[in-house]
Amino acid sequence: DIQMTQSPSSLSASVGDRVTITCRASQSISTYLHWYQQKPGKAPKLLIYAASSLQSGVPSRFSGSGSGTDFTLTISSLQPEDFATYYCQQSYSTPFTFGPGTKVDIK
Amino acid sequence: EVQLVESGGGLEQPGRSLRLSCTASGFTFGDYDMSWVRQAPGKGLEWVGFIRSKAYSGTTGYAASVKGRFTISRDDSKSIAYLQMNSLKNEDTAIYYCTRVKVVRGVNSYYFDYWGQGTVVTVSS
Repeated sequence: DIQMTQSPSSLSASVGDRVTITCRASQSISTYLHWYQQKPGKAPKLLIYAASSLQSGVPSRFSGSGSGTDFTLTISSLQPEDFATYYCQQSYSTPFTFGPGTKVDIK
Repeated sequence: EVQLVESGGGLEQPGRSLRLSCTASGFTFGDYDMSWVRQAPGKGLEWVGFIRSKAYSGTTGYAASVKGRFTISRDDSKSIAYLQMNSLKNEDTAIYYCTRVKVVRGVNSYYFDYWGQGTVVTVSS
């Protein structure tokens, strides 16, 4: 199975900050990498698919990059509604696996 | 508007069975692969399994943790996906989410573009 790791596991940031979250795969997964946002008590929501494609309706302050084993999710200017937990997910091979999540909270 | 509504969750004893349903609307259900993802209390996301569309023979795939115990099926005439859970274990306690699977054609990259609100399954004696 492909193991996914994320760093940091949590971070505190202020509104307006630039935030970067890293996801690493245990083997090369090309761009078979997707990002989700989950707020407390809610279902996850797709943000980025195929490493860098922005899902329709998602604000442009979210962006993704990377290929192979190393990926990043960047929020260019953190907004109050962005405080949430972020997960990466690989679909290079089954079982599809998620990273452990990165919790973004208010500084 | 795409909607996925899960139902069938509840409290069940270890070793017993439960069937979850996912009722879809707002899209042509038969054209899409569907998947189940779960989240144990206070934990991260775990993929449970998927079922391909009839165009791909309705092939299924499962996580090792549920293989042989859980079965995913679909009724395209009713736009419903099912998760039959047998031989339940305490560690199956989780919120179960139904998701629509989107495929980046040409590279067969699967991602979950719509999620239901989830249904809670508690396994306890």
